[in-house]
Amino acid sequence: QLVLTQSPSASASLGASVKLTCTLSSGESTYAIAWYQHLPGKGPRFLMKVNNDGRETKGDGIPDRFSGSSSGAERYLTIYSLQSDDEGDYYCQTWGHDTGVFGGGTKLTVV
Amino acid sequence: EVQVVESGGGLVQPGGSLRLSCVVSGFTYRKFWMHWVRHAPGKGLEWVSRIQTDGISTSYADSVKGRFTISKDSAKNTIYLQMNSLRVEDMALYYCARDSGTYPYYFDHWGLGTLVTVSS
Repeated sequence: QLVLTQSPSASASLGASVKLTCTLSSGESTYAIAWYQHLPGKGPRFLMKVNNDGRETKGDGIPDRFSGSSSGAERYLTIYSLQSDDEGDYYCQTWGHDTGVFGGGTKLTVV
Repeated sequence: EVQVVESGGGLVQPGGSLRLSCVVSGFTYRKFWMHWVRHAPGKGLEWVSRIQTDGISTSYADSVKGRFTISKDSAKNTIYLQMNSLRVEDMALYYCARDSGTYPYYFDHWGLGTLVTVSS
């Protein structure tokens, strides 16, 4: 069964960077994933797609502060120069067996 | 500019029905799959259903299979989600999203959602 695992929470200081992780279930390390930002009161926003070779394809208008990478079964979202309005939930997602699969999400706190 | 606007949410009793609508504009609608995704209180995003460009091929999450039906009216640029036999656990903010058209079939444009409350 295709499962995406994310840490429930993360925190980092204003101006610092943070690396969020999305782990694909065993045997599924070739899957590409997408990252989304979900801020309070807004619809989710597509950030980027990250392939298993680490190549990223960003959504329209996504700043360079957001970067994707990959290692084995892990897919990463790194946010540099954290701003207060980066605080929110971040989800990874992929597609398998004709269904969409989301990770549980990581709540990012900017302190 | 791509726009996705959901409507039709509301309060319904357990066992009841509701039909959600999603009107899209700003792109060639017939060329893209469309999806419904929901966000229940205190939980993460959950993919619900998708409809392909032909309007015939559909798929559903196991949690809604047999109770929900996705459809589209191409003349109206509208996607629907007919929800029957609603349960308390179906209560959520329902989002309509456009498919990117490329693997891994991610969702590149979203609406603001419509709230479904299931309560007696």
